[in-house]
Amino acid sequence: NAGVTQTPKFQVLKTGQSMTLQCAQDMNHNSMYWYRQDPGMGLRLIYYSASEGTTDKGEVPNGYNVSRLNKREFSLRLESAAPSQTSVYFCASSEAGGGRAFFGQGTRLTVV
Amino acid sequence: DAKTTQPNSMESNEEEPVHLPCNHSTISGTDYIHWYRQLPSQGPEYVIHGLTSNVNNRMASLAIAEDRKSSTLILHRATLRDAAVYYCIRRSNYQLIWGAGTKLIIKP
Repeated sequence: NAGVTQTPKFQVLKTGQSMTLQCAQDMNHNSMYWYRQDPGMGLRLIYYSASEGTTDKGEVPNGYNVSRLNKREFSLRLESAAPSQTSVYFCASSEAGGGRAFFGQGTRLTVV
Repeated sequence: DAKTTQPNSMESNEEEPVHLPCNHSTISGTDYIHWYRQLPSQGPEYVIHGLTSNVNNRMASLAIAEDRKSSTLILHRATLRDAAVYYCIRRSNYQLIWGAGTKLIIKP
């Protein structure tokens, strides 16, 4: 019973490098989300996809792009990483309408 | 978007009830109140949610004030495994709007 799977779990990037965080869910959920969590703070929404084929900006979208590849997969791309993007990134999914969300275990990203 | 307000931390004794308060004075009529908890180095875990009426599930109870400006999460019998950061969240359309949460410490 995998739920929401994120890869990688840890990543160190140099400033200016690019990378894609992968997320997949096996619960047939329509909605998927990307959050970031900085130390001692709650989560902040980067982007979300209410349904396959749609994406929308959240609270902190600058510096990120997303792709809803299919119903299962939602990826987050950093085109040119900056130290301010050092954070823990969480992917989540929920049924349509933004109900109960299920979260992955997170990706700890450090940009040096 | 106004975030919710919670105490930074609370302590409770094991096997006693815990009441975690939350203020959301600017909540709109269609916003749901969600509670999640997060253990160290883990993703958040859903606890409970509601709109106007009090809600119960196997994990907890949620008591929502009549004016909806505040709510209380109730853990009926806390165990050491309940030690976590508890987040009271306002759900506005598809967005979960998170505050800083309450760190719950359980004393044996």
